[in-house]
Amino acid sequence: AQSVTQPDIHITVSEGASLELRCNYSYGATPYLFWYVQSPGQGLQLLLKYFSGDTLVQGIKGFEAEFKRSQSSFNLRKPSVHWSDAAEYFCAVGPTNSGNTPLVFGKGTRLSVIA
Amino acid sequence: GAVVSQHPSWVICKSGTSVKIECRSLDFQATTMFWYRQFPKQSLMLMATSNEGSKATYEQGVEKDKFLINHASLTLSTLTVTSAHPEDSSFYICSANDRSSGNTIYFGEGSWLTVV
Repeated sequence: AQSVTQPDIHITVSEGASLELRCNYSYGATPYLFWYVQSPGQGLQLLLKYFSGDTLVQGIKGFEAEFKRSQSSFNLRKPSVHWSDAAEYFCAVGPTNSGNTPLVFGKGTRLSVIA
Repeated sequence: GAVVSQHPSWVICKSGTSVKIECRSLDFQATTMFWYRQFPKQSLMLMATSNEGSKATYEQGVEKDKFLINHASLTLSTLTVTSAHPEDSSFYICSANDRSSGNTIYFGEGSWLTVV
């Protein structure tokens, strides 16, 4: 069965510092990968997604993620964090491109940003 | 871009009553929608898959008679929490698949349910 692991429950970074949020997945075929961000009390906003092709994908708000098949990873990065980036981040994997199968989510990583 | 809207955003109801939450895809048709539940500081837990024109598929442990799902059109799915109890208080989120944009899955803003 597919699964997603986000090893870090909580990360604190200084504003302006770089960020990397880790995501590892388990799935037998080519995964369909997502990163979402959730601000307190709100729904999920899609940051970026990977279907196929270029393994480095660019998303909104200056985020990018790199798919590494050999490591079963899809880590999220940002070169310079802003205070407004403080939120919960979820990595998710989908088994197919059919759209009829729900995503499997990691447990999330809470990002705190300090001055 | 594609938007999924949920209504209401916040609802408080008395124990024993029922409450309906709507999930709409605003500018695309969604044959499949998903309902999730999220407890504070936890990840999303899939409750059910809502299929337009057919019965929903519920995850193990989710009571289908308590959480009624109706997907009557290609843009609307509803979740009705029947005979709500305080333990049903939670954040409920829906998502819908936009096939026209490469099967991107979009999420609603969520609905906070408080049962008193």
